[in-house]
Amino acid sequence: EPEVTQTPSHQVTQMGQEVILRCVPISNHLYFYWYRQILGQKVEFLVSFYNNEISEKSEIFDDQFSVERPDGSNFTLKIRSTKLEDSAMYFCASSEEGYGTGHYRDNSPLHFGNGTRLTVT
Amino acid sequence: AQTVTQSQPEMSVQEAETVTLSCTYDTSESDYYLFWYKQPPSRQMILVIRQEAYKQQNATENRFSVNFQKAAKSFSLKISDSQLGDAAMYFCAYRSGTSGSRLTFGEGTQLTVNP
Repeated sequence: EPEVTQTPSHQVTQMGQEVILRCVPISNHLYFYWYRQILGQKVEFLVSFYNNEISEKSEIFDDQFSVERPDGSNFTLKIRSTKLEDSAMYFCASSEEGYGTGHYRDNSPLHFGNGTRLTVT
Repeated sequence: AQTVTQSQPEMSVQEAETVTLSCTYDTSESDYYLFWYKQPPSRQMILVIRQEAYKQQNATENRFSVNFQKAAKSFSLKISDSQLGDAAMYFCAYRSGTSGSRLTFGEGTQLTVNP
């Protein structure tokens, strides 16, 4: 079964540095997402991406964050000038369809990757 | 804004027994979707079951079933014949059917399965 893959599995960075988290969504999927989970807390939505642009973002997703699909397979999350509170597990997800195509179909669940654990020191 | 609440931080069940995990949500929408995700120690989020709000019939996937009470805004997950591999964090999640693509998650319930 196709999977969403994320690299690296664990990233350690110093406060103030830039990090890029990488994701390869499932190949025929059109919608891409980033979520994060601070240790011990609930999973939070960051951003959704469709047709090479952001379709929705949360209040967490400020100017420090950016997303990009640099080629036909990768989907990246860049965090500029990392802060201690950015330490979290970051999940990438993809789906065949989402809002904007008329209706969320039964056969379009979100498929999540295994996550990247980001530690900011 | 929609909210999802899981009032049971931890639950435990004996192997082969049945357990029910609770979830309530708050929304003013009539068109939406509800999900249960499982997060084992590997941390991957795995879809367990989903329910469309417009369907009255409760969803079932093998040993997993839901009790969807739309008027009460309740969406509980029942796991029958619990297995050791069911031990995980379980998250309830909401998705609007008309406005946006984000999933809103509950706080999670840590399920322990005792042999």
